[in-house]
Amino acid sequence: AQTVTQSQPEMSVQEAETVTLSCTYDTSESDYYLFWYKQPPSRQMILVIRQEAYKQQNATENRFSVNFQKAAKSFSLKISDSQLGDAAMYFCAYRSANQTSYDKVIFGPGTSLSVIP
Amino acid sequence: DAGVIQSPRHEVTEMGQEVTLRCKPISGHDYLFWYRQTMMRGLELLIYFNNNVPIDDSGMPEDRFSAKMPNASFSTLKIQPSEPRDSAVYFCASSPGLNPNYGYTFGSGTRLTVV
Repeated sequence: AQTVTQSQPEMSVQEAETVTLSCTYDTSESDYYLFWYKQPPSRQMILVIRQEAYKQQNATENRFSVNFQKAAKSFSLKISDSQLGDAAMYFCAYRSANQTSYDKVIFGPGTSLSVIP
Repeated sequence: DAGVIQSPRHEVTEMGQEVTLRCKPISGHDYLFWYRQTMMRGLELLIYFNNNVPIDDSGMPEDRFSAKMPNASFSTLKIQPSEPRDSAVYFCASSPGLNPNYGYTFGSGTRLTVV
């Protein structure tokens, strides 16, 4: 069974600085998708970024980028030029690329990010 | 589109009472998911529907939980009778398909407190 681990329950960053959130996962599959979701105080889960395992290039979305290390099963999220609105809970998630398991999304326990003005 | 709409935003009820949570998915999304979020267990999939038909309800914790989707624009999650351990945030999400390329759109959740 797949597992997702986020070893940092809480992180903080100074406004305008860069922060990296860690995520590791365990799977025996070779093809899969990885996601970072943001959950602000409004509670709505918002998709931040997606990475397909067969793509070697790291995904980027504006100030958000990932460092995907397939061999190490590591998927960290880097937030550059942190803003107050980035304060939220961040969840790493795994989805299989196997059609029979498409409906199984494995979420990590989350990292609470605080942004200090 | 207004996104996935859930109601109520907060619900406080007494143990033993019936609770109904509501969800309106995004128009055109064929899949609807109900998740529960607790500190202890994180996010858990309870049940999901495809074209209004329940596909997998293996995550529903007990017979006290039931979910329906009478049409493409409305779903309910009912707990009867409710218990304090049901206290959690319940999320509804929808997706145009099951392929991971689509991603899920989540609602803002219903925070349920059973006293």
